[in-house]
Amino acid sequence: DTGVSQNPRHKITKRGQNVTFRCDPISEHNRLYWYRQTLGQGPEFLTYFQNEAQLEKSRLLSDRFSAERPKGSFSTLEIQRTEQGDSAMYLCASSRNPKNTEAFFGQGTRLTVV
Amino acid sequence: AQTVTQSQPEMSVQEAETVTLSCTYDTSESDYYLFWYKQPPSRQMILVIRQEAYKQQNATENRFSVNFQKAAKSFSLKISDSQLGDAAMYFCAYCLDNDMRFGAGTRLTVKP
Repeated sequence: DTGVSQNPRHKITKRGQNVTFRCDPISEHNRLYWYRQTLGQGPEFLTYFQNEAQLEKSRLLSDRFSAERPKGSFSTLEIQRTEQGDSAMYLCASSRNPKNTEAFFGQGTRLTVV
Repeated sequence: AQTVTQSQPEMSVQEAETVTLSCTYDTSESDYYLFWYKQPPSRQMILVIRQEAYKQQNATENRFSVNFQKAAKSFSLKISDSQLGDAAMYFCAYCLDNDMRFGAGTRLTVKP
């Protein structure tokens, strides 16, 4: 499978715990995006990487959220001190040059904070 | 900030009929891209069709076509000969410099 892979698919955690999600983009894609999607809504942009550089962060990404892409390949999204409002589907997408080409999405990680 | 508006939370179409999903967006830019994505119940987003803003010709992909009205900032999706497999959430997206913003989506139901 050469698509975008996200792990885990589901995560249930207690409020206050830290969680980390992983995204493996399509191998030749140098751009990687994280989105959050709540039920009945479209994906909301969180952050974007060009190779290993994090180029933009949304205001939605509070200081409890951190994303990394250390070698320009896979990326991790960590949420510290989770809150019930963090419950959502977290989507990862990747794309390649030139700019504005289509993004390919993974199946997402569904987070439930109890 | 760019916003994308999909005014139809839900739409329904009879199998084999045609349906049009609406999308409007707000931007002051002239060179951008527009996309329609489909999200079936399995929730993996799939690209349906894309449109470059500098192209006047409307994009077409088999049964899917768009009506791109740049001055009106409108980007509707027409699905012809609807099939049961077309049932999904459809999201309109605006993209500028790799910043992609989505509308709230339209849930399409296809009746047999």
